[in-house]
Amino acid sequence: QKEVEQNSGPLSVPEGAIASLNCTYSDRGSQSFFWYRQYSGKSPELIMSIYSNGDKEDGRFTAQLNKASQYVSLLIRDSQPSDSATYLCAVNESGGGADGLTFGKGTHLIIQP
Amino acid sequence: NAGVTQTPKFQVLKTGQSMTLQCAQDMNHNSMYWYRQDPGMGLRLIYYSASEGTTDKGEVPNGYNVSRLNKREFSLRLESAAPSQTSVYFCAISAGANTGELFFGEGSRLTVL
Repeated sequence: QKEVEQNSGPLSVPEGAIASLNCTYSDRGSQSFFWYRQYSGKSPELIMSIYSNGDKEDGRFTAQLNKASQYVSLLIRDSQPSDSATYLCAVNESGGGADGLTFGKGTHLIIQP
Repeated sequence: NAGVTQTPKFQVLKTGQSMTLQCAQDMNHNSMYWYRQDPGMGLRLIYYSASEGTTDKGEVPNGYNVSRLNKREFSLRLESAAPSQTSVYFCAISAGANTGELFFGEGSRLTVL
């Protein structure tokens, strides 16, 4: 049973601070990792993909991957109230086909003005 | 979500009734998916179609059927709705090259009484 674990939160962060969201996964052979953002009542939206160990930066977002520790994180710098949402971690299994994506249950992030 | 259109957006059914959720995409992507999202359960894959002419079961296929009508359209049918099928349903697409990068429709909220 493949598992993707996230702290459900809510995680409360003051505006302008760094928000750190964490995710662990059980399938050691996982190859690709994704972060989706979901506003309340809306559909998930892909914000970051990461495939190799290390950091990947895109604007205020940085994804960090450590395959040895089976850990992936998302950092949001200079947090804004508009970043308040649920963030879903998703992991694709090794050699996974179209059904290979497993989602975590999400972390609810609240940015306090 | 202009690339993926789901209908209807909202539906209330009585137990035992049938209905079809429609999904159409204008992004010319090969792969299409149906997910359901329930509180505390995260996103779970119901069925998917890796390419036109093929369909396969996901994690929670019981009680559902699908049809990949053509490259653009992928429908989800509930033959005899049950209260356990009360959920938010999302259609998603991917180019197929990397199945973790999904583009979601706006969702269909279904209530079964």
